[in-house]
Amino acid sequence: GNSVTQMEGPVTLSEEAFLTINCTYTATGYPSLFWYVQYPGEGLQLLLKATKADDKGSNKGFEATYRKETTSFHLEKGSVQVSDSAVYFCAPLSGAGSYQLTFGKGTKLSVIP
Amino acid sequence: DAMVIQNPRYQVTQFGKPVTLSCSQTLNHNVMYWYQQKSSQAPKLLFHYYDKDFNNEADTPDNFQSRRPNTSFCFLDIRSPGLGDAAMYLCATSRSYGQGGDTQYFGPGTRLTVL
Repeated sequence: GNSVTQMEGPVTLSEEAFLTINCTYTATGYPSLFWYVQYPGEGLQLLLKATKADDKGSNKGFEATYRKETTSFHLEKGSVQVSDSAVYFCAPLSGAGSYQLTFGKGTKLSVIP
Repeated sequence: DAMVIQNPRYQVTQFGKPVTLSCSQTLNHNVMYWYQQKSSQAPKLLFHYYDKDFNNEADTPDNFQSRRPNTSFCFLDIRSPGLGDAAMYLCATSRSYGQGGDTQYFGPGTRLTVL
């Protein structure tokens, strides 16, 4: 089955700092890759996705590139804001006919003014 | 806006007293999922429906059941809640399986407290 190794948190950054959250995965075939974000007390929101090698997903200033050669999907943002404080989950989903997201353990990000 | 709606947002029940959580969607998606998320953990898939076809994960306790009376609605029934069932329950939908249709969209969750 699939597995995910996600950067352990918590991560605390000052506002406007650069963010990287590492994610590597093992999966059969060519998975779709997702980052979800969970704000305190809320459900998961899709942050971005990529469906094939070298695709870059982006949203709200966040980016992640599907690196098949290193089986990685690291999340980056150039300048974080206090409102980005949340838990971030990396999740591969294997190809055709598959439905099960394999979530990483989540990385809690706190951004301080 | 098309969305996934969960009611109630907070549910309190007593030990052993049956409880039902509801989920509805306006996305007209074929697949609906129920996840359990305990504090500081990743969500864990309990089961899902593709249309009316029910798919149970192997390690989902028998205490948990689900109903999907139509495309828009799905219910999670906990027959005899225990203290260990206190968690956030997340409903999600996807258009289909596989590439292009596999993105799952989540509702805001129902936080279940068991007294």
